[in-house]
Amino acid sequence: DVKVTQSSRYLVKRTGEKVFLECVQDMDHENMFWYRQDPGLGLRLIYFSYDVKMKEKGDIPEGYSVSREKKERFSLILESASTNQTSMYLCASSLPGHENTEAFFGQGTRLTVV
Amino acid sequence: RKEVEQDPGPFNVPEGATVAFNCTYSNSASQSFFWYRQDCRKEPKLLMSVYSSGNEDGRFTAQLNRASQYISLLIRDSKLSDSATYLCVVISSYKLIFGSGTRLLVRP
Repeated sequence: DVKVTQSSRYLVKRTGEKVFLECVQDMDHENMFWYRQDPGLGLRLIYFSYDVKMKEKGDIPEGYSVSREKKERFSLILESASTNQTSMYLCASSLPGHENTEAFFGQGTRLTVV
Repeated sequence: RKEVEQDPGPFNVPEGATVAFNCTYSNSASQSFFWYRQDCRKEPKLLMSVYSSGNEDGRFTAQLNRASQYISLLIRDSKLSDSATYLCVVISSYKLIFGSGTRLLVRP
């Protein structure tokens, strides 16, 4: 079974803090994704990576950066957390290509910025 | 305009009903299409892929119309356990793009 693990289920941080959200997958997947999910807005893509050290901006990259130093790990960084970054963050991984590439998700991290 | 659009619902139906969800996408170069299911406070999980020829998995039927850029999901004989949010997903330029989801409530 594919397993995607996010480091925290719940996180509370203060405005201005630097926040790291970690994601690890154990199936040797090339693609990894970070989304945030907000009521009424669905899942919005922040960043994705299709290989080690490669990254592409998604639809809402502002205020975020990512790091992929190893194939199994994809980190999302909030350089200076703000209250509008309070959200559910979901990490996913998949095989490369676009045919039948099922994405597997972590359990999510609910981040609250106060 | 969002790249993938869905009716947010909720759809409130009795057990045994047939319900249909629709989704449109804006990028004609999109390569692959899926329906995911998300239960309350859980992560999304793949329900089924969607092919141009249409495909069926038990009570679920998915259809794709590339000319109209339209995807559908039909659920027959609804069960209480079908209550969830159904997410339309498109792969476009190697990115996995999600619709905002349609919520289904199946009542006894």
